[in-house]
Amino acid sequence: ETGVTQSPTHLIKTRGQQVTLRCSSQSGHNTVSWYQQALGQGPQFIFQYYREEENGRGNFPPRFSGLQFPNYSSELNVNALELDDSALYLCASTRDRDLRDEQFFGPGTRLTVL
Amino acid sequence: AQRVTQPEKLLSVFKGAPVELKCNYSYSGSPELFWYVQYSRQRLQLLLRHISRESIKGFTADLNKGETSFHLKKPFAQEEDSAMYYCALSVAYGNKLVFGAGTILRVKS
Repeated sequence: ETGVTQSPTHLIKTRGQQVTLRCSSQSGHNTVSWYQQALGQGPQFIFQYYREEENGRGNFPPRFSGLQFPNYSSELNVNALELDDSALYLCASTRDRDLRDEQFFGPGTRLTVL
Repeated sequence: AQRVTQPEKLLSVFKGAPVELKCNYSYSGSPELFWYVQYSRQRLQLLLRHISRESIKGFTADLNKGETSFHLKKPFAQEEDSAMYYCALSVAYGNKLVFGAGTILRVKS
């Protein structure tokens, strides 16, 4: 069983640019959630995808968007990057949104915006 | 609004001493609470959840709805318990998590 993987590991962008982060869910999982973890804080929920549809969103602006593919992998896109977007972005997958199962986290992508 | 509060950024104890990591929550619905742990250079992982009522690595946590708390306890700390601990609340349909800011536990020899 393969765990949750994320790419890239690290990324440096400048203000105003766009970025795409990728996540492969654990085998057998159809629900993916994205979290932003700023330095010294706990992860903050961005949005969740279930069977290719967005299934809930946290308090993040529309320039944060996502996709989920038929194989349940997912992308997080951030447009018009701001300095405050610098954070660790975590992806988590779970077997099914209806089961309230454990969420399995990836190692994260560290984004730095200069 | 949903909120999880972990009042201590750092808790430092000696090996063999009891540990209590505090967690308070605010949620109008029926809460489901978790403790996640992150060891050095490892990813975030589930330690325990209140509905399972089990003890993992000697840790227990009891949900107190009256005090809206879910404190994590262990009677005798071990050096390998040193890690970052996050309390999290599951809200709404789909098991979305609201995390506290985390507490670093340092167990000294």
